[in-house]
Amino acid sequence: DAGVIQSPRHEVTEMGQEVTLRCKPISGHNSLFWYRQTMMRGLELLIYFNNNVPIDDSGMPEDRFSAKMPNASFSTLKIQPSEPRDSAVYFCASSPGRVNSPLHFGNGTRLTVT
Amino acid sequence: AQTVTQSQPEMSVQEAETVTLSCTYDTSESDYYLFWYKQPPSRQMILVIRQEAYKQQNATENRFSVNFQKAAKSFSLKISDSQLGDAAMYFCALRFGGSNYKLTFGKGTLLTVNP
Repeated sequence: DAGVIQSPRHEVTEMGQEVTLRCKPISGHNSLFWYRQTMMRGLELLIYFNNNVPIDDSGMPEDRFSAKMPNASFSTLKIQPSEPRDSAVYFCASSPGRVNSPLHFGNGTRLTVT
Repeated sequence: AQTVTQSQPEMSVQEAETVTLSCTYDTSESDYYLFWYKQPPSRQMILVIRQEAYKQQNATENRFSVNFQKAAKSFSLKISDSQLGDAAMYFCALRFGGSNYKLTFGKGTLLTVNP
């Protein structure tokens, strides 16, 4: 079990640039979550998918953020255009889709927008 | 809406001693699940322990145990025989039953273990 794999681990970009974060969930897990972690706001759920379908995107901050899950083994979170306030650690997590199952987190992507 | 509150931003404990981290939550649901996660400086999120709300017995995992008080909506984490490797940020989290699997987190408690 390789765990949830996120890439890149670190991303530094300039304001206005497009940023794409990638996630490979654990094989067999049918729920996938994107969280953002900042000092001020803690861990916030941005969006989650069940069986590749977005179920709850109420946490997506604005239209600059978009997420896709084209198949069961891959998801992306895109920010276009990026802004300095988007600087944070972005976590992807997956779960088997049973309500008592914990989330398994990737190691996160630290995004810095200058 | 569900909320999770961790009232202790920071805690410290001496190695080999016991420490309790507090968590309270607010939900009108009767079916839910509670979790404690640990985040060391490596920033990896690690599951420590989980509790089903319908179970009266408090969950235990080795040196980690919870005190689950459903009526008071309280879910504290006790760490016994604290070790240096326990130093981390600890997050309490709540998930409803049903088909919505999202997890709501508290703001975290930073635990320092003193040698």
